[in-house]
Amino acid sequence: EVQLVESGGGLVRPGGSLTLSCAVSGFTFSSYSMNWVRQAPGKGLEWVSSISTSSSYIYYGDSVKGRFTISRDNAKNSLYLQMNSLRVEDTAVYYCARGTAAVAGTPSDYWGQGTLVTVSS
Amino acid sequence: SYVVTQPPSVSVAPGQTARITCGGNYIGSKSVHWYQQKPGQAPVLVILYDNDRPSGIPERFSGSNSGNTATLTISRVEAGDEADYHCQVWHTSSAPLGVFGGGTKLTVL
Repeated sequence: EVQLVESGGGLVRPGGSLTLSCAVSGFTFSSYSMNWVRQAPGKGLEWVSSISTSSSYIYYGDSVKGRFTISRDNAKNSLYLQMNSLRVEDTAVYYCARGTAAVAGTPSDYWGQGTLVTVSS
Repeated sequence: SYVVTQPPSVSVAPGQTARITCGGNYIGSKSVHWYQQKPGQAPVLVILYDNDRPSGIPERFSGSNSGNTATLTISRVEAGDEADYHCQVWHTSSAPLGVFGGGTKLTVL
């Protein structure tokens, strides 16, 4: 059974940092690209970032570029999102999701349950 | 940046056909993916690459994409189809960008 479990969310002050993790199981992690998608309270989905299998190709949404860093550890079956210079508008549930192919930029066929990040003073 | 537009809401009676649109400039030249999201749950992929259904998704779900509009069609709507539906496209400018529409709330009357 494919499972993705996010962790690391919580309350952080504006300007602060947070690192999200996503532990996966039930599939060969190193064979699939991965995505982070977020959803602000009561709002739609927003694509955050994508990473290819070997980390050679990494893409970011305009709203997080330069502040967030996606990475993966294929040996640990884990995906990460380092978030710096956090803003109130970054408040959202952050989902880890599997891409359908090795290349980044594919739809997400399996999703975690999400972790809530709240940026507030 | 590329903008994708969805109607905020669509209502349909049980047994009827629901059509949810996703508009964008020349969206017919891009691949469109659709997700279903029920309250408090993670999204579920229901259509990929315009009209492919993942394993386990009923044949009642189908998609089309042409010109400036992509459409998710749900035939013989059931109460359990009530959910938010989100379309996504990958727009490539200097780098691929995954763009979501604002989402459509499907209400089954």
